[in-house]
Amino acid sequence: NAGVTQTPKFRVLKTGQSMTLLCAQDMNHEYMYWYRQDPGMGLRLIHYSVGEGTTAKGEVPDGYNVSRLKKQNFLLGLESAAPSQTSVYFCASSYSGGRGTDTQYFGPGTRLTVL
Amino acid sequence: GESVGLHLPTLSVQEGDNSIINCAYSNSASDYFIWYKQESGKGPQFIIDIRSNMDKRQGQRVTVLLNKTVKHLSLQIAATQPGDSAVYFCAEIFNTGGFKTIFGAGTRLFVKA
Repeated sequence: NAGVTQTPKFRVLKTGQSMTLLCAQDMNHEYMYWYRQDPGMGLRLIHYSVGEGTTAKGEVPDGYNVSRLKKQNFLLGLESAAPSQTSVYFCASSYSGGRGTDTQYFGPGTRLTVL
Repeated sequence: GESVGLHLPTLSVQEGDNSIINCAYSNSASDYFIWYKQESGKGPQFIIDIRSNMDKRQGQRVTVLLNKTVKHLSLQIAATQPGDSAVYFCAEIFNTGGFKTIFGAGTRLFVKA
């Protein structure tokens, strides 16, 4: 049981390049989330999904797109990277976010630098 | 407004001492709180949670206290060990037509041997 995994672990992009971050979970969780973490700030929700085939915007969705084609995978895309998107990205999953008491399990993070 | 914050950004304690990490929240409607631990280079990890109808909850070497009157949450770590060195986040969850989680910025705990 690997829990939540993320690929890649590190990436450096030039402004305007695109990339996709992959998150996978093997806990059969319904809910999946993408956060970004910046120095001195709490985790901020980018997008989330309440089940296969669904996605929804979080607190800071601009510049990102997501897809949840399979229950176990949640992809985060940057179509045209900007320096402001330099951050550490965390994926998380939970059994059901709807009850408000489900623990979120986090991946190890992806450190992205946009030059 | 909605906010979850921490009184101290860093905390340094001697190995074996008890640690207390504080958190203030502003949404009186929050009904669930979680403490996470984040070690360097890793993702946040669940430590302990508490519902709003409780004042105290204990785990293994950790205790969370909730004071709803002053909207304050604390995490107490007993007999702090070097392995406890990490950033600790509090998070509040409240229902706004869907459950929303807000994370605090974090407190960095240093444990001196």
